[in-house]
Amino acid sequence: SQTIHQWPATLVQPVGSPLSLECTVEGTSNPNLYWYRQAAGRGLQLLFYSVGIGQISSEVPQNLSASRPQDRQFILSSKKLLLSDSGFYLCAWSRDRGEKLFFGSGTQLSVL
Amino acid sequence: DAKTTQPPSMDCAEGRAANLPCNHSTISGNEYVYWYRQIHSQGPQYIIHGLKNNETNEMASLIITEDRKSSTLILPHATLRDTAVYYCIPQDSGTYKYIFGTGTRLKVLA
Repeated sequence: SQTIHQWPATLVQPVGSPLSLECTVEGTSNPNLYWYRQAAGRGLQLLFYSVGIGQISSEVPQNLSASRPQDRQFILSSKKLLLSDSGFYLCAWSRDRGEKLFFGSGTQLSVL
Repeated sequence: DAKTTQPPSMDCAEGRAANLPCNHSTISGNEYVYWYRQIHSQGPQYIIHGLKNNETNEMASLIITEDRKSSTLILPHATLRDTAVYYCIPQDSGTYKYIFGTGTRLKVLA
């Protein structure tokens, strides 16, 4: 069966520090991968998605970047965190376009 | 992509049916209606989806109007564990992007 792993579960970082969040999917090949962010009390905002290794589509201009170095690995990064980067970050995958999404358990990021 | 309108919040008594409406009047013929729910501090979970016909699975039933402009998710016997935010998302089978709205916050009351 397929599983998605996302870590860490919680993270507290100072303003100006770098960020690296990792997501891996097991049990499937060539998944479509997604990063979402959810600010406190708000809906989910699509940040990036990837349909293959090295292919990244950015949805919202911001202080973040994404990379997909391997088929089932998706990384969210920042060189210098801002206070506004705080939020709940979720990784997700789907088998193909238009098919249902499977989400990870999320990372709660607090930038202080 | 079709936009959706959902009530921001609803209450339901435990053991009763919860009926969550969604308006998607601009939905296109290629777009399925997907429903997800998000329990506090967790990732969203897929519930059910449909195109034209009503659908039922172990979690819920989905009723789609004949003109496809609205749908209703039915939790037949709501429990306290069904307290969550429920998202209705029209999804085109040809697109990679999944756009979530703000959903309906369902509170199941004991």
